[in-house]
Amino acid sequence: SYELTQPPSVSVSPGQTASITCSGDKLGDKYACWYQQKPGQSPVLVIYQDNKRPSGIPERFSGSNSGNTATLTINGTQAMDDADYYCQTWDSSTVVFGTGTKVTVL
Amino acid sequence: QVQLVQSGAEVKKPGASVKVSCKASGYTFTSYDINWVRQATGQGLEWMGWMNPNSGNTGYAQKFQGRVTMTRNTFISTAYMELSSLRSEDTAVYYCARGGSYSKLDYWGQGTLVTVSS
Repeated sequence: SYELTQPPSVSVSPGQTASITCSGDKLGDKYACWYQQKPGQSPVLVIYQDNKRPSGIPERFSGSNSGNTATLTINGTQAMDDADYYCQTWDSSTVVFGTGTKVTVL
Repeated sequence: QVQLVQSGAEVKKPGASVKVSCKASGYTFTSYDINWVRQATGQGLEWMGWMNPNSGNTGYAQKFQGRVTMTRNTFISTAYMELSSLRSEDTAVYYCARGGSYSKLDYWGQGTLVTVSS
């Protein structure tokens, strides 16, 4: 079955850039999405179709996808961005989630 | 605005079944798939399957084949997920999520905690 691998944790200082990677075989040939989840809340879609932001998502969130890696970038990270982030794609009629990354804003 | 409102928390004994509902509003229910995703405490997101509310067609993750059933009632814009033969490992928060274009899950319900305990 298809797998997506993320680093367990990423630390970033306020105002700096956080990058979260998501690795999967030929992931660049598929579309990738990203979700943000804060404790006790439902996931929220922050990036879809590799690099599109839903309405209401701040411009500091951006995405890219090429080769075997999709990347979520948070520019000018704020304290409110402290959360878990999951990548997601679709393979063989199956939704696949990444392992998740805890972003800590120090 | 699009909303998915799920039924309340459940406590079940091992071997029992649970049925969680997800009521949609703010859009045409039959125009978008409904997916079900679960999350055990402290763990990641686990996809269970999808259902097309228009046709009733479903697709289940292999792990849940034979134990999960996804249905709908289009008259009340509500999707259901039933999981049978419950075991303690099924204790989790269960989410419904609307499936949009480009395989994104664009709106999520608030989650339903299912606890399996003797």
